[in-house]
Amino acid sequence: EVQLVESGGGLVQPGGSLRLSCAASGFTVSSYGMNWVRQAPGKGLEWVANIKQDGSEKYYVDSVKGRFTISRDNAKNSLYLQMNSLRFEDTAVYYCVRGSNWLYPWGQGTLVTVSS
Amino acid sequence: DIQMTQSPSSVSASVGDRVTITCRASQGISNWLAWFQQKPGKAPKLLIYAASTLQSGVPSRFSGSGSGTDFTLTISSLQPEDFATYFCQQSNSFPRTFGQGTTVEIK
Repeated sequence: EVQLVESGGGLVQPGGSLRLSCAASGFTVSSYGMNWVRQAPGKGLEWVANIKQDGSEKYYVDSVKGRFTISRDNAKNSLYLQMNSLRFEDTAVYYCVRGSNWLYPWGQGTLVTVSS
Repeated sequence: DIQMTQSPSSVSASVGDRVTITCRASQGISNWLAWFQQKPGKAPKLLIYAASTLQSGVPSRFSGSGSGTDFTLTISSLQPEDFATYFCQQSNSFPRTFGQGTTVEIK
């Protein structure tokens, strides 16, 4: 069964850092493009970042460029999101999602709360 | 960036009704469009990709159509489990973008 399990969310102060992890099972992350998508409380979906299947390119939404870094560890079959200089508006549930074009499947999400 | 605009933002319907949701892209995206269903507290679920291809396991009462800039999601006969929020999303280019969502509510 293909499964994605996120971890690493929590409460952090503005300006702080957090590293999200996504453990994949049932497939190898190095064979797929992978994404992070977030959803602020009561709001819609916002795509955050993508890493291409071969790892050659990474893409980000403008609001996180220079602050967030997507990466993966093929040996651990895991995806990561390093989040620095966090802002109040980064508060959201962060989902790990497989797919280069079509986003499927999704993890259950991990909540990041940026608050003082 | 490509803007995705859904309408309506919410719709009230009864079990058995036909429901249509529209999604418009700010520029042509060919058929690089997906539809998702999300229920409260749950991750989104892929319903349709490539504008009209039904994801495996999704009931046939769901259908998608369109190409270019205008797309529709149709639920032919609304079932109790279909009350949820629906999002469109373009995969034509980065950044990927979503519509703002359409909530299907019980009438």
